[in-house]
Amino acid sequence: DAKTTQPTSMDCAEGRAANLPCNHSTISGNEYVYWYRQIHSQGPQYIIHGLKNNETNEMASLIITEDRKSSTLILPHATLRDTAVYYCIFHGSGNTGKLIFGQGTTLQVKP
Amino acid sequence: SAVISQKPSRDICQRGTSLTIQCQVDSQVTMMFWYRQQPGQSLTLIATANQGSEATYESGFVIDKFPISRPNLTFSTLTVSNMSPEDSSIYLCSVALGVAGELFFGEGSRLTVL
Repeated sequence: DAKTTQPTSMDCAEGRAANLPCNHSTISGNEYVYWYRQIHSQGPQYIIHGLKNNETNEMASLIITEDRKSSTLILPHATLRDTAVYYCIFHGSGNTGKLIFGQGTTLQVKP
Repeated sequence: SAVISQKPSRDICQRGTSLTIQCQVDSQVTMMFWYRQQPGQSLTLIATANQGSEATYESGFVIDKFPISRPNLTFSTLTVSNMSPEDSSIYLCSVALGVAGELFFGEGSRLTVL
């Protein structure tokens, strides 16, 4: 199955940018990188996805390296409500549509 | 995006009984997935449920234990059969939408087996 590597946990000060890294060295050329987050006791929430170019939406920015082997999710002004587990995922081999979740990064935003 | 409703949101069940979880989507979707999240763990994919075909189960999950129905493009059910305390988990329904197949999730069904 598709494998990503993320730090287990990170802290960020409220109001500062949170930069969450992810390694996905086995990703192939036509596979998207997806980011989700799960706030305690809620279902996972889609954040953003990208293929080659950097992406930005109302929630976050996604920076993908030129070789596509890693990416960084940026929350530009973290708030306490951004405290969650963040998952970096890609489909892996085959176009089955399914996504396999790793352990993710627990982001703790502190006042 | 999609609005995904799951029922029940939570339940407490006795060992040996079965529970059926319903998932209703506000739009027609082809690909639907069922996940399990055990306490303190990440999400584990149980099966893929596409309308018009049998569900495809991941390693470690079997149809007899987790039968799935997908009668139309907006609805699916997952049954947890002959429950034991090890089945205590959150069960999540998700659908794939968009050009890149982004997943959207329901709020989950929290199951406690005594």
